[in-house]
Amino acid sequence: DGGITQSPKYLFRKEGQNVTLSCEQNLNHDAMYWYRQDPGQGLRLIYYSQIVNDFQKGDIAEGYSVSREKKESFPLTVTSAQKNPTAFYLCASSILAGGGTGELFFGEGSRLTVL
Amino acid sequence: QKEVEQDPGPLSVPEGAIVSLNCTYSNSAFQYFMWYRQYSRKGPELLMYTYSSGNKEDGRFTAQVDKSSKYISLFIRDSQPSDSATYLCAMKDSGYSTLTFGKGTMLLVSP
Repeated sequence: DGGITQSPKYLFRKEGQNVTLSCEQNLNHDAMYWYRQDPGQGLRLIYYSQIVNDFQKGDIAEGYSVSREKKESFPLTVTSAQKNPTAFYLCASSILAGGGTGELFFGEGSRLTVL
Repeated sequence: QKEVEQDPGPLSVPEGAIVSLNCTYSNSAFQYFMWYRQYSRKGPELLMYTYSSGNKEDGRFTAQVDKSSKYISLFIRDSQPSDSATYLCAMKDSGYSTLTFGKGTMLLVSP
């Protein structure tokens, strides 16, 4: 079945440690996205990538880094510079890079808790 | 003024009620309008999609767009406990841009 796979589903880390969240898609979509979701805040865009080896900052990129070495993969690293990393992280993809309807397909999310 | 406004709720209704969920927006360039449903601790899934103004119906769900008022609605008829979720509106313009989301409305349907 086609879809987006995020791992791990739950992750606990100590303060000051970098953490990498995995996102893989087999939908052959061009664009991939990372969102952060906090209670009462809705979805906030962290980074997005429209093509391999290229990515753009979203609204809250500080303290995060990404790479897009393969079309199928868009990992997100939460660095120690992120002041409040505990959140629910969602990866998404879309067929076209920004153009068209913009319909997003989401993964099941990764919940990161920093102790 | 935020680009997209959505009442966070929670909205509590009895089973069988008609539910109305709404978003207002300020950017007149928005052309594509979507509603996503998100169950607790899950990723959002696309529920309804509408281009420009008008109505769209899919089973118990009806999406309405009024571009003159910059107002979109999602109606749920004969609501069921399984409809209990957070509903997010999202929209974008016709250019190369990312979706703009509302903050979501939590809906609780009691049996």
